[in-house]
Amino acid sequence: SQTIHQWPATLVQPVGSPLSLECTVEGTSNPNLYWYRQAAGRGLQLLFYSVGIGQISSEVPQNLSASRPQDRQFILSSKKLLLSDSGFYLCAWRRTGDNQPQHFGDGTRLSIL
Amino acid sequence: RKEVEQDPGPFNVPEGATVAFNCTYSNSASQSFFWYRQDCRKEPKLLMSVYSSGNEDGRFTAQLNRASQYISLLIRDSKLSDSATYLCVVRYQAGTALIFGKGTTLSVSS
Repeated sequence: SQTIHQWPATLVQPVGSPLSLECTVEGTSNPNLYWYRQAAGRGLQLLFYSVGIGQISSEVPQNLSASRPQDRQFILSSKKLLLSDSGFYLCAWRRTGDNQPQHFGDGTRLSIL
Repeated sequence: RKEVEQDPGPFNVPEGATVAFNCTYSNSASQSFFWYRQDCRKEPKLLMSVYSSGNEDGRFTAQLNRASQYISLLIRDSKLSDSATYLCVVRYQAGTALIFGKGTTLSVSS
């Protein structure tokens, strides 16, 4: 069976500090991978998605970046965090195919102070 | 116009009630449809896919109306454990990400 791991579960960082959130998927090959952010009381916002190693599509301009160094690894980064980066960050994977749903990791709750 | 729109609620219903959620989507080329459930401070989890002919999974029934660009979720015999936020989700074309509505909050009370 497939599993998705996302860490850390919670993170408190000062403004201006760097960020690295990691997500890995097991039990599947060449998944589509996604990073979402959910701000308090708001919907899920797609940040990045990747259909293969080294292939990253960005949905919104921001000070975050994503990388996919391996087939089943997806990393979300920032060089300098802003207060507005606080939120609940979710990694998700999906098999390629028309009607495949997405499956989410447990999420990282990020607070910027 | 927002891509996926849902009534945010909250819907407050007693145990045993039947409740229906509606969702509209703006892109007529949308191909795949889902309902997800999200508990407070947790990740969204797939509840069910929505098929063109409509489909049922136990107490849950999903319907799709492509002409009206409308999706519905019906929950029968509500349980306390059904309390959550229900997210309507659409995918436009192959290879693209899912688009999530902001969710409808359901609170079932005894």
